[in-house]
Amino acid sequence: EGQLVESGGGLVQPGGSLRLSCSVSGFSFSRYGMHWVRQAPGKGLELVSSIRSNGDRTYYADAVKGRFTISRDDSKNTLYLQMSGLRVEDTAVYYCVKDEDPAVLSAVFGYWGQGTLVTVSS
Amino acid sequence: EIVLTQSPATLSLSPGERATLSCRASQSVGTFLAWYQQKPGQAPRLLIYDASDRATGIPARFSGSGSGTDFTLTISSLEPEDFAVYYCQQRVNWPPVVTFGGGTKVEIK
Repeated sequence: EGQLVESGGGLVQPGGSLRLSCSVSGFSFSRYGMHWVRQAPGKGLELVSSIRSNGDRTYYADAVKGRFTISRDDSKNTLYLQMSGLRVEDTAVYYCVKDEDPAVLSAVFGYWGQGTLVTVSS
Repeated sequence: EIVLTQSPATLSLSPGERATLSCRASQSVGTFLAWYQQKPGQAPRLLIYDASDRATGIPARFSGSGSGTDFTLTISSLEPEDFAVYYCQQRVNWPPVVTFGGGTKVEIK
């Protein structure tokens, strides 16, 4: 299954920016589609963004479209989420997630990192 | 948008008992349904995908069934480590949409 380690979370003011990173090891990163899923404190799960294995297609939840950008650097085995125009409602733990299927971006969330907390507050 | 409704919200059971968790979709999702387990302070873990396929390393006491709008996760005999929150998730309109249910908490009675 490998290891997914998120970083880059923290406290930011409304309107600010953050870049999350997810460092991957233990599997062939370039073969898998990847996702960011978030969980607001005490709440359920929400898919934020997804990227295909070759990076040619990306997808975003309506709530973050135009503000967040997902990307990957296969040479560094790293997934990114650039977040701008942050809102209080973006406060959540952000999980880096490996897709279950190496052949297609299936949206079966096969393996999760431990998450990084993003807090948006003045 | 397809809404997933999980019931009950909380299930109070003893170790060794059978747990039956329900997930109902507002419209058909075929068998594009998965189940996840989340323990306090931990990330979710994939248990079941495509309604009834167990993920790698998941014990046989976990089983999934159903199709269309009604799905069930069954834990045949609860182990102490099974007390957690369970979420269902559908992907019938992926890309780009997936939705999660609100979760069922399985607690020790």
